[in-house]
Amino acid sequence: AQTVTQSQPEMSVQEAETVTLSCTYDTSESDYYLFWYKQPPSRQMILVIRQEAYKQQNATENRFSVNFQKAAKSFSLKISDSQLGDAAMYFCAYRSAYGYSTLTFGKGTMLLVSP
Amino acid sequence: DSGVTQTPKHLITATGQRVTLRCSPRSGDLSVYWYQQSLDQGLQFLIQYYNGEERAKGNILERFSAQQFPDLHSELNLSSLELGDSALYFCASSPRGGSPDTQYFGPGTRLTVL
Repeated sequence: AQTVTQSQPEMSVQEAETVTLSCTYDTSESDYYLFWYKQPPSRQMILVIRQEAYKQQNATENRFSVNFQKAAKSFSLKISDSQLGDAAMYFCAYRSAYGYSTLTFGKGTMLLVSP
Repeated sequence: DSGVTQTPKHLITATGQRVTLRCSPRSGDLSVYWYQQSLDQGLQFLIQYYNGEERAKGNILERFSAQQFPDLHSELNLSSLELGDSALYFCASSPRGGSPDTQYFGPGTRLTVL
């Protein structure tokens, strides 16, 4: 079974600064998808970014980018120019590329943003 | 707004009772997933339906059941409720249910069992 580990329960950043959230995963599969979801205080789960394992290029979405290291099984999220609205719980998730597999989530990292 | 709707937003009930949570997927999505988020277990997958049929089962208790109707909305039924069932229950949907799909989450139903 696949596992996803987020080793940072909480991170802090100041507005306009850059922060990186860590995620590692364990799998024996070669093809899969990785996601970062954001959960603000409203509790809504919002997709931030998605990475396909067979694509070497790191995904980016505006101020959000990932550093995907397949050999190291690492998938970190970089948030540039942090904003107060970025404060949330961030979840890393894994999904196999085979069959009708579903998402396996990490425990989450709480991001605090200070003015 | 993801386009996935869930009702009710909050539900407070007593131990031993039965409740039904409802989910309407995004327009055009055929697959529905249910997840449970609790403080001690984190986010866990419960069950998936695709076009009315059960596709995958996760850590779903026997006291819990779900179904997807012809109009593609889904219901999660929780019975003989226990204090430990208090959690946030999410529904997500995706177009086909296969692995390339991205799942879009609803706002969740917060269940409190007293």
